[in-house]
Amino acid sequence: NAGVTQTPKFQVLKTGQSMTLQCAQDMNHEYMSWYRQDPGMGLRLIHYSVGAGITDQGEVPNGYNVSRSTTEDFPLRLLSAAPSQTSVYFCATSPYSYSNQPQHFGDGTRLSIL
Amino acid sequence: AQSVSQHNHHVILSEAASLELGCNYSYGGTVNLFWYVQYPGQHLQLLLKYFSGDPLVKGIKGFEAEFIKSKFSFNLRKPSVQWSDTAEYFCAVKNSGYSTLTFGKGTMLLVSP
Repeated sequence: NAGVTQTPKFQVLKTGQSMTLQCAQDMNHEYMSWYRQDPGMGLRLIHYSVGAGITDQGEVPNGYNVSRSTTEDFPLRLLSAAPSQTSVYFCATSPYSYSNQPQHFGDGTRLSIL
Repeated sequence: AQSVSQHNHHVILSEAASLELGCNYSYGGTVNLFWYVQYPGQHLQLLLKYFSGDPLVKGIKGFEAEFIKSKFSFNLRKPSVQWSDTAEYFCAVKNSGYSTLTFGKGTMLLVSP
């Protein structure tokens, strides 16, 4: 049981490049989300999904796209990377979207944009 | 919209000192409250949670937190810290009936041996 798996763990991009951060979970969790973590800013919600085929914007969605075609996967796409997107990205899941269950976090992806 | 405030950005303590980290939130309705810990280079792990009932909740590694509804607060405490408690601590709040979690900006705790 791997839990929440994020790939890659590290990535360096040039400004303007595109890439997809992968998040996969094997716990059949309904809710999946993406956060970015920046020093002194805590975790800020980028996008989230309450089930397959349903996504919504969080606090800082600009520059990012998501889709949820399956329960297991929730990829985060950077269409044209900018230095301001240099951050650590965490995927988090929980069993039910509107329950009081805590979220489970992946190990993170450290992304640098040059 | 919900907001979460953590009073201290950095805390430095000696081993065996007592710890209290403050957390206040803004939304006055029913909330679910969490404290997460992030050890250096690792992902966030749940320390403890409050949903309902006894406002004093106990978590892992000797941590506890008290929910005071009238003060919109959920402060984290530990009677005696250890060097291994060096980490960043995040308070998070979920409005009941909603799906998203709002985090505070975190408190970096450094415990000197």
